[in-house]
Amino acid sequence: QVQLVQSGAEVKKPGSSVKVSCKASGGTFSTYPVNWVRQAPGQGLEWMGGLVPIFDTTNYPQKFQDRVTLTTDESTRTAYMELSSLRSGDTAVYYCAAQNPGGYFDYWGQGTLVTVSS
Amino acid sequence: SSELTQDPAVSVALGQTVRITCQGDSLRSSYAGWYQQKPGQAPLLVIYGKNNRPSGIPDRFSGSSSGNTASLTITGAQAEDEADYYCNSRDSSGNLVLFGGGTKLTVL
Repeated sequence: QVQLVQSGAEVKKPGSSVKVSCKASGGTFSTYPVNWVRQAPGQGLEWMGGLVPIFDTTNYPQKFQDRVTLTTDESTRTAYMELSSLRSGDTAVYYCAAQNPGGYFDYWGQGTLVTVSS
Repeated sequence: SSELTQDPAVSVALGQTVRITCQGDSLRSSYAGWYQQKPGQAPLLVIYGKNNRPSGIPDRFSGSSSGNTASLTITGAQAEDEADYYCNSRDSSGNLVLFGGGTKLTVL
């Protein structure tokens, strides 16, 4: 059983960056690559990117390729998502999610609300 | 195509059966995952692969697939099943992850 605990809510100015952490406990960290999914208020789920352990790379949708950086510190079992050049449309709840070998997300963090406001 | 399409809203009478569908070209080559999300909570995986339920998911939830359409069926819907449901799959290249727009299920 994997548990994911995310960092707390953030309020950021437009143009700044935010870094959200996701600490894993239980299970084998490398077995469950961490992905990031966001949800704007009243909207659906949007995949932001994730690790591909077989190739030791990270995949991002084109929309986020220039602004999202995903990193992992295996020594502390913590994954990070940094989003730069924030704008009001980035206001959302950001989730980390652990991906099982079939590619499905069977463990989720509790979510981190990021509010972008001047 | 890089999209998964879901009906925005579906309703079902208490105890009846409801099917929620998800359409997309990627579903011709990969099975969908289905997630239940209640207000203020993180999504919960309820069905994945051909028709697999994670531990703790009631057996009234089932999945199926045909061509470019995946379906989540709830047989004997309960009041606690009222939630938003999202499908997901990999895209046709296998490199990207897609989510459907979500279906709001109302149990009457």
